[in-house]
Amino acid sequence: NAGVTQTPKFQVLKTGQSMTLQCAQDMNHEYMSWYRQDPGMGLRLIHYSVGAGITDQGEVPNGYNVSRSTTEDFPLRLLSAAPSQTSVYFCASKGQVHSNQPQHFGDGTRLSIL
Amino acid sequence: GDSVTQMEGPVTLSEEAFLTINCTYTATGYPSLFWYVQYPGEGLQLLLKATKADDKGSNKGFEATYRKETTSFHLEKGSVQVSDSAVYFCALSDQNGQNFVFGPGTRLSVLP
Repeated sequence: NAGVTQTPKFQVLKTGQSMTLQCAQDMNHEYMSWYRQDPGMGLRLIHYSVGAGITDQGEVPNGYNVSRSTTEDFPLRLLSAAPSQTSVYFCASKGQVHSNQPQHFGDGTRLSIL
Repeated sequence: GDSVTQMEGPVTLSEEAFLTINCTYTATGYPSLFWYVQYPGEGLQLLLKATKADDKGSNKGFEATYRKETTSFHLEKGSVQVSDSAVYFCALSDQNGQNFVFGPGTRLSVLP
């Protein structure tokens, strides 16, 4: 049981490039989310999904797109990378949307934008 | 909106010292409360949780009690080890289960 898997673990981009951060979970979880972690700011929610075909914005959605075509996968897309998007990105999931279950986190993607 | 406040770090302790990391929250209704731990270069791992008032979560010697009257969920450990060095995050999930809010994290360093 792999849990939440994120790829790649590290990435360096140039300003203006695009890329997709991958996230997959094998626990049949309904709820999936993306956070960014910046020094002194904790985790901030970018986008989340409550099921296949349903996504919504979090606290800091600008510059990011998501889709949820399957229960397992929840990719995060940067259409035109900016230095302000340099951060560590975490994907997380939990079983049922309306529950008090904790979220399970991936190991993160460390992204640098030059 | 909902929010979580944690004591500022970093916290530096000697091995076997007593640990307290304060956490208070603001939320409507009855949120669930969590402590997560993040070791260097890794993702967040659930340390413990409490889902209703007066519940005590515990794991690996760490404890926290859900205090609704003081809106607090302070993390404690009686005797810390070097291996406890990490960043600790307090978090809440609203009563709908859809909104997670994290505190800024507290970095703990334990010296031998």
